[in-house]
Amino acid sequence: NAGVTQTPKFRILKIGQSMTLQCTQDMNHNYMYWYRQDPGMGLKLIYYSVGAGITDKGEVPNGYNVSRSTTEDFPLRLELAAPSQTSVYFCASSYSADRGNTIYFGEGSWLTVV
Amino acid sequence: QQQVKQSPQSLIVQKGGISIINCAYENTAFDYFPWYQQFPGKGPALLIAIRPDVSEKKEGRFTISFNKSAKQFSLHIMDSQPGDSATYFCAAIPHGSSNTGKLIFGQGTTLQVKP
Repeated sequence: NAGVTQTPKFRILKIGQSMTLQCTQDMNHNYMYWYRQDPGMGLKLIYYSVGAGITDKGEVPNGYNVSRSTTEDFPLRLELAAPSQTSVYFCASSYSADRGNTIYFGEGSWLTVV
Repeated sequence: QQQVKQSPQSLIVQKGGISIINCAYENTAFDYFPWYQQFPGKGPALLIAIRPDVSEKKEGRFTISFNKSAKQFSLHIMDSQPGDSATYFCAAIPHGSSNTGKLIFGQGTTLQVKP
């Protein structure tokens, strides 16, 4: 059981380039999330999805797009990368949003924009 | 904007000591308060969590204390071990977000337990 798998682990982008961070989970979870983690700032929610075909913005969605065509996959697209998007990105999933339901995180994707 | 403030930013404790991390929130509209533990190079993992109608929850060496009137909650790690060295995040689920699972995170505390 792999849990939440993110790729790539590390990536360097030039300003203005675009890329997609891949995320897949094998736990049949309905809910999936993308967070970014900046030093000393905790994690901030970028986008989330409550099921296939349904996505919504979190706290910091600008500069990102998501799609959820299947239950398993929730890719995050960065358009026109900017230095402010240098961060560690975490994908996460949960079976439901009930209180007490565990949110499982992937191991993170380190992105540097130069 | 809903916020959760966490302190201290870093903490050094001797093996066997008690580690205490504090969090405070600025409004009453939170439904659930989980704590996450993160080791270097890994994603956060749920450690322990508490509901606002409970004042304390204990799981092994880890205890959450919750003070609803003061809008504060804290994590106590008893008999701290070097293996506890990690970054700890408090978090809260905003009221009305229980159907989305969205979390508001504190800034994190890096704990180092010295042998």
